[in-house]
Amino acid sequence: GAGVSQSPRYKVAKRGQDVALRCDPISGHVSLFWYQQALGQGPEFLTYFQNEAQLDKSGLPSDRFFAERPEGSVSTLKIQRTQQEDSAVYLCASSLLGGDGNTEAFFGQGTRLTVV
Amino acid sequence: AQSVTQLDSQVPVFEEAPVELRCNYSSSVSVYLFWYVQYPNQGLQLLLKYLSGSTLVKGINGFEAEFNKSQTSFHLRKPSVHISDTAEYFCAVSRNTGGFKTIFGAGTRLFVKA
Repeated sequence: GAGVSQSPRYKVAKRGQDVALRCDPISGHVSLFWYQQALGQGPEFLTYFQNEAQLDKSGLPSDRFFAERPEGSVSTLKIQRTQQEDSAVYLCASSLLGGDGNTEAFFGQGTRLTVV
Repeated sequence: AQSVTQLDSQVPVFEEAPVELRCNYSSSVSVYLFWYVQYPNQGLQLLLKYLSGSTLVKGINGFEAEFNKSQTSFHLRKPSVHISDTAEYFCAVSRNTGGFKTIFGAGTRLFVKA
């Protein structure tokens, strides 16, 4: 596709429900990032993949959060037993090269998760 | 660790006036610096970046930013804004070696009035 695609765009979950958020990066992009953006805040780093390898997951807020990219392309961010504080926009970004900071990251439109 | 401070949460300005959005960063290592724009219901879009070399960086849509190492600043400027520049602007930093994550500021809401 032409850009990074995320689905669903909007998700309402009841507290305690599990959710899965999907990211389709730009074809051929090596790096993939997940960010969490709370209302009125900047994006906060969650995790980073280089191909299928998860090289940094230091930003995942708890063990309820899990991300995977099994074939080095599509990625899924899973949140188990959702809590109200998980409500945020989840952004996915991809870049062509490895994770050195100078390569431009292209962002998807995000998934807005609301936990009720 | 790196951090980014955007000093203004909101900046109202009249159309065709100049604007400066302020950004300060802290880091114990050399960094790359970025400005991103986020229009309503859209993803983040890169405006410009500083990697090395000339400290004055020009980006898209007539924006420019100047890297000032001594003041650890990377302020964004535009000499004449348009209504269409109304958006959220994020300053960001990443390590220039061995780093994968980009650290974002809290954002500045630019509101251009007619």
